[in-house]
Amino acid sequence: AQSVTQLDSHVSVSEGTPVLLRCNYSSSYSPSLFWYVQHPNKGLQLLLKYTSAATLVKGINGFEAEFKKSETSFHLTKPSAHMSDAAEYFCVVSGNSGYSTLTFGKGTMLLVSP
Amino acid sequence: GAGVSQSPSNKVTEKGKDVELRCDPISGHTALYWYRQSLGQGLEFLIYFQGNSAPDKSGLPSDRFSAERTGGSVSTLTIQRTQQEDSAVYLCASSLLETQYFGPGTRLLVL
Repeated sequence: AQSVTQLDSHVSVSEGTPVLLRCNYSSSYSPSLFWYVQHPNKGLQLLLKYTSAATLVKGINGFEAEFKKSETSFHLTKPSAHMSDAAEYFCVVSGNSGYSTLTFGKGTMLLVSP
Repeated sequence: GAGVSQSPSNKVTEKGKDVELRCDPISGHTALYWYRQSLGQGLEFLIYFQGNSAPDKSGLPSDRFSAERTGGSVSTLTIQRTQQEDSAVYLCASSLLETQYFGPGTRLLVL
């Protein structure tokens, strides 16, 4: 079984400052990990994914995440926040069932102030 | 190309009524998933289809919930005798390989 813990339910930043959204996972095998973003009243959009290639993964809109096996972490970062980044972010781990049932974290709401 | 689409986008129903939610996956995607997103519960897996078969129904919360998929494409999630606790956003996703692509969801409100 796998699980995901997003350490912050809310993160507030000012526009132009760095973003850090924290995620820890638990898995009995080498997982695939994802970050999805959900804007208000919208569906989930894939930001980036880790599938055991490079440990530093670059995604859309300037986001990136680093897989650290020793820390079982997959934190999401962005050097400079934009107002349009305000949304809910989900860290997700993929199952090991031959198909990929996803296990979602509880989500982190990112608030960006001018 | 077209993404995953879902209909209706919003549905208000009365307790005890049946509802049908529809999902049109991305063309060519063989796998289809239903999830439920509700306050306090986060995102929960409901059911997975590979083609028209559902090898994993483990997330369906009760026998009032059922789903089918026809022609390896469109899927319908049916909730019978709806209850207020069924109020949630129901999300559909499709995939060809591992990455799942989500639709905008159906927001269900049971009064």
